[in-house]
Amino acid sequence: QSVLTQPPSVSAAPGQKVTISCSGSSSNIGKNYVSWYQQLPGTAPKFLIYDNNKRPSGIPDRFSGSKSGTSATLGITGLQTGDEADYYCGTWDSSLSSVVFGGGTKLTVL
Amino acid sequence: QVQLQESGPGLVKPSQTLSLTCTVSGGSISSGGFYWSWIRQHPGKGLEWIGYIYHSGSTYYNPSLKSRVTISVDTSENQFSLKLTSVTAADTAVYYCARVTDDYYFDYWGQGTLVTVS
Repeated sequence: QSVLTQPPSVSAAPGQKVTISCSGSSSNIGKNYVSWYQQLPGTAPKFLIYDNNKRPSGIPDRFSGSKSGTSATLGITGLQTGDEADYYCGTWDSSLSSVVFGGGTKLTVL
Repeated sequence: QVQLQESGPGLVKPSQTLSLTCTVSGGSISSGGFYWSWIRQHPGKGLEWIGYIYHSGSTYYNPSLKSRVTISVDTSENQFSLKLTSVTAADTAVYYCARVTDDYYFDYWGQGTLVTVS
């Protein structure tokens, strides 16, 4: 059971938009920055979003992040088949004194 | 461009100690400003943070693994290492090393190494 809750799977058609939610609590998302990672099949996670809504260089603006209260959301527009991957949110939990991740969401581009 | 590479045995016997090393290139662990971390992923499962270390040697561990984990750093070799004692089949996972920022995001990752306990 992960500290952060993500939907197990989401799907959408190519060209469409999808959002992935990440729900936490006042001790983690509520007071700390959220980051997002993309894990393509058989590869290491890749850094997508940091500080809730910032994109590192090289990440297209099709990817966006937001945070409100104790929840965060990853948005992906203009879906491509190459976006099929597992997506994870992560943050620091001040009560646990631990980095925590969501359980991951599998994105299928139909 | 910072690169990280894990190395170590791919097979460990139950009750023994898992030992892995992460070699960092393209940046110096000694320069500070970042933490150096281990994360694992059980087969078909999500990410689990194990712990991290600062170049000074300060460590922070996942409370659920703290009693069995030691992370150390060798700044002269630009490496950091993981030791996990008393392993069981439940420790079978892909182990990743990664660089961590002050805001607790992991910006560079190694390719990962599968460790099987059997």
